[in-house]
Amino acid sequence: AQSVAQPEDQVNVAEGNPLTVKCTYSVSGNPYLFWYVQYPNRGLQFLLKYITGDNLVKGSYGFEAEFNKSQTSFHLKKPSALVSDSALYFCAVRDWNTNAGKSTFGDGTTLTVKP
Amino acid sequence: DAGVIQSPRHEVTEMGQEVTLRCKPISGHDYLFWYRQTMMRGLELLIYFNNNVPIDDSGMPEDRFSAKMPNASFSTLKIQPSEPRDSAVYFCASSFSTGSRSYEQYFGPGTRLTVT
Repeated sequence: AQSVAQPEDQVNVAEGNPLTVKCTYSVSGNPYLFWYVQYPNRGLQFLLKYITGDNLVKGSYGFEAEFNKSQTSFHLKKPSALVSDSALYFCAVRDWNTNAGKSTFGDGTTLTVKP
Repeated sequence: DAGVIQSPRHEVTEMGQEVTLRCKPISGHDYLFWYRQTMMRGLELLIYFNNNVPIDDSGMPEDRFSAKMPNASFSTLKIQPSEPRDSAVYFCASSFSTGSRSYEQYFGPGTRLTVT
């Protein structure tokens, strides 16, 4: 079984400050981990993913995420937030050791960046 | 590439009517997913296909919902009869299963369904 948790419904940061959106996961094997972003009235957009290798993954729009196997976490980060980063963020996981093609998505975290 | 294409973008219908939502995945993608998003229940996976074959339909809420994928470039999600509680945004997504972009899902713009 695979599952993911986003412990914060909402994250508020000031523009220019660093941001972190948290995600923890559970899989029986090794994880594929993903972050997606959804702007209002749009579909989800892929941001970045971790499969193997370097624990720090860089993605679109200056976002990065750090894979931590011991803590089973994959937190999304950005050094300096922009107002335009305000959106709904989803973490997702897929277990390598499965033939299933689906990912399991978290409930989402609303990020608000204030000027 | 045009991305995942969904139609219609908006659908307003009366309770009891049949509703058909359409999706064209990205060319070459071998997985296709149908999701529903509401404020109350969040993002729910309804069904997904691999190489046009339904793999898991455990998320389909009731027998009123059915989905087909007659070929690699087209899928439909049908609701018959529709009910007000079916009101939601329905997303289609597709992905590769191999290569550097494997399992990255690309979502369409969604169909906003309102059942009155």
